Amino acid sequence: TQLLEQSPQFLSIQEGENLTVYCNSSSVFSSLQWYRQEPGEGPVLLVTVVTGGEVKKLKRLTFQFGDARKDSSLHITAAQPGDTGLYLCAGGKVGNTPLVFGKGTRLSVIA
Amino acid sequence: DTGVSQNPRHKITKRGQNVTFRCDPISEHNRLYWYRQTLGQGPEFLTYFQNEAQLEKSRLLSDRFSAERPKGSFSTLEIQRTEQGDSAMYLCASSYRTGGETQYFGPGTRLLVL
Repeated sequence: TQLLEQSPQFLSIQEGENLTVYCNSSSVFSSLQWYRQEPGEGPVLLVTVVTGGEVKKLKRLTFQFGDARKDSSLHITAAQPGDTGLYLCAGGKVGNTPLVFGKGTRLSVIA
Repeated sequence: DTGVSQNPRHKITKRGQNVTFRCDPISEHNRLYWYRQTLGQGPEFLTYFQNEAQLEKSRLLSDRFSAERPKGSFSTLEIQRTEQGDSAMYLCASSYRTGGETQYFGPGTRLLVL
């Protein structure tokens, strides 16, 4: 069974702080996707990384795919209350097979 | 392009009743996926289609669950004889087969079985 472990599960920080969320697996994935989900809504895609070692930036968010394509991280700089939500990582295999999701990291940014 | 849409957004039903959910994918996407998400968990795969063909079903999809995509466009997910354990958010996603693994999700249907 392919599993994605996310850490931490919960994170509560003050506005302006930096944070990093981790997504780890013993399996190799051809891609890693990060989503953000608000309560009662579906996941919204943030980024897809496909190359080992790849780094992508989306404003204050930096995503990295591990060299071996087994892990990924999401770093948020100067967090804002609008960053509050559930961050999910999901691994994909070649051929658009179903995604394997982690349990998510619930982030709360306090003003 | 309005993205993936799902209806209804919320459904409350009594145990033993049948329910049906609909998903309309992004128009040019030929793959459509159903996932289920319970509180505190990430989405779990249920089944997926390429065009009208159902290519894979998870062991989570008991015989009370059936999904169709008759014309390769919208899809329906039916749950017969609902149980309280079926209460969850049902998510639909779509992707384009040659567009990498990126899947785009709808807003979900939240089911509560009383």
